[in-house]
Amino acid sequence: DTAVSQTPKYLVTQMGNDKSIKCEQNLGHDTMYWYKQDSKKFLKIMFSYNNKELIINETVPNRFSPKSPDKAHLNLHINSLELGDSAVYFCASSRQGNTEAFFGQGTRLTVV
Amino acid sequence: GENVEQHPSTLSVQEGDSAVIKCTYSDSASNYFPWYKQELGKRPQLIIDIRSNVGEKKDQRIAVTLNKTAKHFSLHITETQPEDSAVYFCAAHNFNKFYFGSGTKLNVKP
Repeated sequence: DTAVSQTPKYLVTQMGNDKSIKCEQNLGHDTMYWYKQDSKKFLKIMFSYNNKELIINETVPNRFSPKSPDKAHLNLHINSLELGDSAVYFCASSRQGNTEAFFGQGTRLTVV
Repeated sequence: GENVEQHPSTLSVQEGDSAVIKCTYSDSASNYFPWYKQELGKRPQLIIDIRSNVGEKKDQRIAVTLNKTAKHFSLHITETQPEDSAVYFCAAHNFNKFYFGSGTKLNVKP
């Protein structure tokens, strides 16, 4: 049973393209997140959603647009991809409050 | 916002030795502090956590301590094994966000 699943696992695309990453969790959690992990392994929060509502948008370019059709899904759409967008993107979810965040397997995005 | 600092960035120990990783945080509103282990090419996974009403927690070879006054918390791994080699992240949680430290790459030499 996959708790938090992301697709695709790998994504190679050219500069200027638009791409989406999908995330689904079957844990019944209220809160979902997107994190970006760069080549130095730093995990940086991008967005936080609670019950489909955007809670946090951490100084992310507006080329990045998250969409939560329901509380089990949080997708990430990226417009006009740039070389600097290359990274591993992790989706995560948690129950509301101080509880563990469960991570998806990550999506390695390479922009060429 | 919260700022989490983590040291050291790399740590190399001999198998059987102990390893200690330290983190500080800035926002006194943070009240939950998980530690994650990330193996190469894998997702971060929780290994231990501590809440702000507790000073210490232990789970077999792993322990975490929290000093709320000083705003620092530490991970202690005893009797290290080669399979403990990974990147370890501390985190502080408040207001629907997890703020992560910059990671410590632990190498346990057999």
